[in-house]
Amino acid sequence: ILNVEQSPQSLHVQEGDSTNFTCSFPSSNFYALHWYRWETAKSPEALFVMTLNGDEKKKGRISATLNTKEGYSYLYIKGSQPEDSATYLCAFRNSGNTPLVFGKGTRLSVIA
Amino acid sequence: DTAVSQTPKYLVTQMGNDKSIKCEQNLGHDTMYWYKQDSKKFLKIMFSYNNKELIINETVPNRFSPKSPDKAHLNLHINSLELGDSAVYFCASSPIEQGNEQYFGPGTRLTVT
Repeated sequence: ILNVEQSPQSLHVQEGDSTNFTCSFPSSNFYALHWYRWETAKSPEALFVMTLNGDEKKKGRISATLNTKEGYSYLYIKGSQPEDSATYLCAFRNSGNTPLVFGKGTRLSVIA
Repeated sequence: DTAVSQTPKYLVTQMGNDKSIKCEQNLGHDTMYWYKQDSKKFLKIMFSYNNKELIINETVPNRFSPKSPDKAHLNLHINSLELGDSAVYFCASSPIEQGNEQYFGPGTRLTVT
């Protein structure tokens, strides 16, 4: 059974602070690592899909890095805003024929 | 235009009933999925369909059956509903290529009484 761990489980930051959280996944047989943003009462929205070791992706104030050899990915948010408040999910896939395995998410609350 | 849509959004039914949840995607994607969000808010894959073939079937009770009338639809049928089936069910779709994300529907909240 594949294990995808996210930390911290929840996080409270002040508006304007930068923050980051971690996704850990098995370091063998890597295929893809996904990050999703999930607001309450909505559906998960894709942020990034990362497929190569050393990948760095950026979308606005949000960026992510990937280390497949050691099995982790970081998600960074620069200058957090209240609208960034959501649960951030990572999901790992070890082949093209296997499903995404989701972590339990990091719940971010940005306080104005 | 809604990319991935699900109906109904809410479904309340009694134990023992049979119900269906519909999912449609207008993105031209090759693969569609059903996920269950459990009581701990954890997303778990139930099924995926690629070109009308079931390619992944996790250890889901056989009371649950996916049906795909065409590439744009993947419906979820549930027979003999049980209390433990109460959850939010999400449909998703994606292109088949490695680097493509999944697009999720809005979810269907199923309550079994």
